[in-house]
Order: sequence, then structure tokens, then C-alpha cells
Amino acid sequence: AQSVAQPEDQVNVAEGNPLTVKCTYSVSGNPYLFWYVQYPNRGLQFLLKYITGDNLVKGSYGFEAEFNKSQTSFHLKKPSALVSDSALYFCAVRDILESNDYKLSFGAGTTVTVRA
Amino acid sequence: DGGITQSPKYLFRKEGQNVTLSCEQNLNHDAMYWYRQDPGQGLRLIYYSQIVNDFQKGDIAEGYSVSREKKESFPLTVTSAQKNPTAFYLCASRPGQGGSYNEQFFGPGTRLTVL
Repeated sequence: AQSVAQPEDQVNVAEGNPLTVKCTYSVSGNPYLFWYVQYPNRGLQFLLKYITGDNLVKGSYGFEAEFNKSQTSFHLKKPSALVSDSALYFCAVRDILESNDYKLSFGAGTTVTVRA
Repeated sequence: DGGITQSPKYLFRKEGQNVTLSCEQNLNHDAMYWYRQDPGQGLRLIYYSQIVNDFQKGDIAEGYSVSREKKESFPLTVTSAQKNPTAFYLCASRPGQGGSYNEQFFGPGTRLTVL
């Protein structure tokens, strides 16, 4: 089974500083990787994905992620964090099911707090 | 939250009761999924369905049941056999083809609390 790990439960940064949320993956074959964000009592919102191609992926709300095959990482980054970026962030990997459909296997999530 | 609606937003259940969570999508997506979210554990797959009248168990299906009688609807029933049902439940869907094939789109969620 494919899996991802988010090594940090919490990340705290000051507004205007760079934000990094870490994710490492374990897969057989080529990984399909995703980042989602969740605000309190809301569903998940898609930020970006890596399927193939350029290792630097740009997504919504100024976020980007860098795919690093040698380090098996897919860290989410934002050059200048905003207070409104405070939320729960999930890294996920596509995992093929027996029926040939797929599910998303999620990390445990990282809570980001951006202080003014 | 796109074109996926879940109701109710909050649900309270007494011990021994079955409850049904609604999930409707108007995105014309083929596949639909139910995930359960617990603090510090990420999301876990309960059931999924690729087409109408067909569905499969996910990782934690015990104590749950689903139906897929219409393409746009995928209700989840939490039965009395589910030992610890208090959680946040998320419904998702994805298209059968196209550029967003690998993305799952999520509804706003239902928070279920057992009293």
C-alpha cells in the first residue's frame, strides 16, 4: 500500500515569513501526490497535485510544492504566509484498490498557525 | 466544497440507533467515496462506489452500510454495530475521465456525535 507521513503535528510561523509543511511518501511505482487544506468544520479543499512533469508544482492561494524523488518528499511551501492560511493541511497519495479504482491515503495532518 | 452537499451538518445519535448521512453531487461524477476523520488520524476510507448499483468496502466498513441507486446520491448509514461512531464524515466524488480524473472533490462534512 502507498502511504505518506507528515512529521510535524504543528507548524507556527509569523505572517510574512515563509511557510513549509513537510510530507514524505512511500510508494511502489510513480507517486500521484496531493495537498488539501481544511478549515474548521469544513470539507477538504484541493490545493495542488503532482502526477508527472516539472518537480515544482504551483497551486491555489499562492501555494507550491516541490517533488523530490531522491528524498521521497513532497513539501508544501508558501513564500509569504498570511493569517488566513491558518488551517489543517493534509498530504495524500493515490492508492490503487482491488477493484482498480483508487482511494486517497492521507497523512495525519499538520496544523498551521500564522500569527499576526 | 464544489457541487457536493452533505446533510445534516450536525447529527446526534442515541446508543443503539441507526442514522443515515446524506451525500448528493451535481458534478456528474462517476465515483463517490465516504471517509471518516478522527483527530490526529487523517481520513480513512469507509465505502466507495464506481458506478450506480455497485459499491465496495473500504478500510473500515464494519458497522456501516451504503447504497448507490442514483449517480448523484451515495447515502451512508451508521448502524448500531459501529462501536465508536463519533467522528466527522466526509463524502467525496471524482469524474470518470478528463483532467481532474485523479482529484477527489469533497463535501462540507457531517459531524456525528453519539450521546
